[in-house]
Amino acid sequence: GAVVSQHPSRVICKSGTSVKIECRSLDFQATTMFWYRQFPKQSLMLMATSNEGSKATYEQGVEKDKFLINHASLTLSTLTVTSAHPEDSSFYICSATSRRLEADTQYFGPGTRLTVL
Amino acid sequence: QKEVEQDPGPLSVPEGAIVSLNCTYSNSAFQYFMWYRQYSRKGPELLMYTYSSGNKEDGRFTAQVDKSSKYISLFIRDSQPSDSATYLCAMSVSGGNQFYFGTGTSLTVIP
Repeated sequence: GAVVSQHPSRVICKSGTSVKIECRSLDFQATTMFWYRQFPKQSLMLMATSNEGSKATYEQGVEKDKFLINHASLTLSTLTVTSAHPEDSSFYICSATSRRLEADTQYFGPGTRLTVL
Repeated sequence: QKEVEQDPGPLSVPEGAIVSLNCTYSNSAFQYFMWYRQYSRKGPELLMYTYSSGNKEDGRFTAQVDKSSKYISLFIRDSQPSDSATYLCAMSVSGGNQFYFGTGTSLTVIP
């Protein structure tokens, strides 16, 4: 149990385009979903936290107009990178938690590698 | 001072060795403690979680929490090359939405 999927796993896009990444909890309802980015050989950097039906809470320094997060249901959250630029190239990972699961812990998706040309 | 401190390594051990990975923390309110394994270009995978103090064992993995010292450990017995990955510790306050991660320790098990 506690499986989180992400789609797509890899995306390459041109500079200036927008990219949408989906995060789904497959076998549980996610109370909260988190979005991280990770640069090579670096740790996870939390970008934002979202609860179903409410606005996401962004970490300091993360542009909310550039990284749009929609948590439309208890099993789906989307991250849209708007007007992507090469510096947005990174590994984006989502995770989810549920109070119904045995412990307060996060379950991570497999990640999405974004390359902006 | 960071909430969670973790030695980034890298750590290199021969196959079959016992590996000890550690994290220290400063917030005494942390109640849930987790260890994740992350292979290159993959999302972190939950390995172990413990609540409050004590030990938990799962196969070759043992997680220990010492709340009095604010110190957690992950032991890997009979390490295998397939254990080569980055190991992240994480912790949270019970019922909260905030999780605090260590920076990760890179482990290589040499055949």
